[in-house]
Amino acid sequence: DAKTTQPNSMESNEEEPVHLPCNHSTISGTDYIHWYRQLPSQGPEYVIHGLTSNVNNRMASLAIAEDRKSSTLILHRATLRDAAVYYCILRTGGGTSYGKLTFGQGTILTVHP
Amino acid sequence: ETGVTQSPTHLIKTRGQQVTLRCSSQSGHNTVSWYQQALGQGPQFIFQYYREEENGRGNFPPRFSGLQFPNYSSELNVNALELDDSALYLCASSPRGLNTEAFFGQGTRLTVV
Repeated sequence: DAKTTQPNSMESNEEEPVHLPCNHSTISGTDYIHWYRQLPSQGPEYVIHGLTSNVNNRMASLAIAEDRKSSTLILHRATLRDAAVYYCILRTGGGTSYGKLTFGQGTILTVHP
Repeated sequence: ETGVTQSPTHLIKTRGQQVTLRCSSQSGHNTVSWYQQALGQGPQFIFQYYREEENGRGNFPPRFSGLQFPNYSSELNVNALELDDSALYLCASSPRGLNTEAFFGQGTRLTVV
């Protein structure tokens, strides 16, 4: 399975930007980089995804390195509701399970008031 | 609101029993995946269904089985329950493809005693 590496935890203050890093050095050319987050007692929630170019949506921005071996999820102004576990996932077409999401341990984001 | 609903929300079963969990996928989504999430861990891929056929399986024994129906809803069946099967079971639906987002249900909390 395509692997990603994330810090176990990060902290931020409310209304400050947050940059969540992810390393994926074994990424292949057709793998998409996906980010999901999971709030306590809820199912994972889609945040953003991309292939090569940086992406923006209403929730966040995704910055992808030129060699695609790393990416950064950017929350522009953290709120208390952003406190969650953030998962960086490579969605791959290879192997026997096309498009499955392989979750790692994720990054626990704590937001301080 | 994701449109993916799972039932029941909570369930207590005795070791050795069998259980069926249900998932109603979002309209138009032809791919359904099931995940097991133990406490404090990231979700682990169980299997995936695409157009009523199993389309990939994770490292789970055959006593974990599933079905997908013509309306793309799905069931997860677990036979001969073991204590270690206690977990949150998550269902996700999506259109087929790497460039699509998956929508998760809120999960079914299974406790095996």
